[in-house]
Amino acid sequence: TQLLEQSPQFLSIQEGENLTVYCNSSSVFSSLQWYRQEPGEGPVLLVTVVTGGEVKKLKRLTFQFGDARKDSSLHITAAQPGDTGLYLCAGAVNTDKLIFGTGTRLQVFP
Amino acid sequence: DAGVIQSPRHEVTEMGQEVTLRCKPISGHNSLFWYRQTMMRGLELLIYFNNNVPIDDSGMPEDRFSAKMPNASFSTLKIQPSEPRDSAVYFCASRWTGFTEAFFGQGTRLTVV
Repeated sequence: TQLLEQSPQFLSIQEGENLTVYCNSSSVFSSLQWYRQEPGEGPVLLVTVVTGGEVKKLKRLTFQFGDARKDSSLHITAAQPGDTGLYLCAGAVNTDKLIFGTGTRLQVFP
Repeated sequence: DAGVIQSPRHEVTEMGQEVTLRCKPISGHNSLFWYRQTMMRGLELLIYFNNNVPIDDSGMPEDRFSAKMPNASFSTLKIQPSEPRDSAVYFCASRWTGFTEAFFGQGTRLTVV
């Protein structure tokens, strides 16, 4: 069974702080995605990383895929209240099967 | 495109009743996923289809759960009989096979009393 463990589970910070969320597994994934989910809605894609060691930036968000394609991180610089939400990593197994991590619930206070 | 459409949005039912959740994927997508989300267990994959064929149902909790995809534009998830522990938000998602974005519906919040 493939498992994706995220840490921390909960994060509560002040506006302007930096933070990093981790996504770890013992399995190798063909790709890894990060999604954000807001209350009452389904998850929405932020980024897809495919190559080991790949780094992608999306404004204040930086995503990295581990060299061995077993782990990933999401770094947010100068967090804003609009970043509040549930962050989920998702790994693709054999291209098709998409499993989600345990989630990190982020709260950014003004 | 209207996106992935799920119905109903909310369902309250009594223990022992049959529940059917419905999903219309985005037109042209060939992969469809059913997930269940709870605070305790997070977002769990129940089953996924490729080209209307069930590929992996190892996440289906027990025989009370069944899913069908009779054509490319419709899928159902059925629970019979329902139990209080089935209470959760059930999501349907669709995408093209490959490293593409999975688009989610707004979910069905199921409460079994």
